[in-house]
Amino acid sequence: QVQLVQSGAEVKRPGASVKVSCKASGYTFTGDHIHWVRQAPGQGLEWMGWINPNSGGTSYSQKFQGRVTMTRDTSISTAYMDLSRLKSDDTAVYYCVKDPATSGAYFDYWGQGTLVTVSS
Amino acid sequence: QSALTQPASVSGSPGQSITISCTGTSSDVGGYNFVSWYQQHPGKTPKLMIYDVSNRPSGVSYRFSGSKSGNTASLTISGLQAEDEGDYYCSSYTSTYTLLFGGGTKLTVL
Repeated sequence: QVQLVQSGAEVKRPGASVKVSCKASGYTFTGDHIHWVRQAPGQGLEWMGWINPNSGGTSYSQKFQGRVTMTRDTSISTAYMDLSRLKSDDTAVYYCVKDPATSGAYFDYWGQGTLVTVSS
Repeated sequence: QSALTQPASVSGSPGQSITISCTGTSSDVGGYNFVSWYQQHPGKTPKLMIYDVSNRPSGVSYRFSGSKSGNTASLTISGLQAEDEGDYYCSSYTSTYTLLFGGGTKLTVL
């Protein structure tokens, strides 16, 4: 069965960086895009960007341009999301999600989420 | 880009039908048939309910349906049940190869 298993919770200081991993199994990793979505406490969903695991190509939300980097390691079917210059309002649960669409995008499987807390 | 516009809350009694709207622009909702809907229960991860405006994934109840007119997409839940209570989010592909979510709608089953 398809699974996306994310790394554990992180606590970071303002100005630091965080790297969240997402290990995929149960499907061909290079076949579907991986997106990252975050949700601040009590707030809605926010799209951050996607990576094409096959080519490594990426597209980021304008809001995170310059601060986010999405990468992948196809040898271990793992995607990564690196967010730098953290601020307190980056405190959120970060999800990796699988996108099976050949056109457009939608998310059929979600990772369990990684809580990133930014606090001094 | 601004988030898609959803009502903050809707409510209905068991057995009734409700509709949640999702309004965007011609650069997102109106320009593509790539709107999806997600259900989220408290403390849980979101679940895909509708994709590509009106397609239902395997395992999702027939009571959930989607449609679109112009720049507004809609999710309709018929035969409302207590288990339908939760938050609902729409999402749309955009002309800049990005995605937008709506602000979310809290559904209360009275």
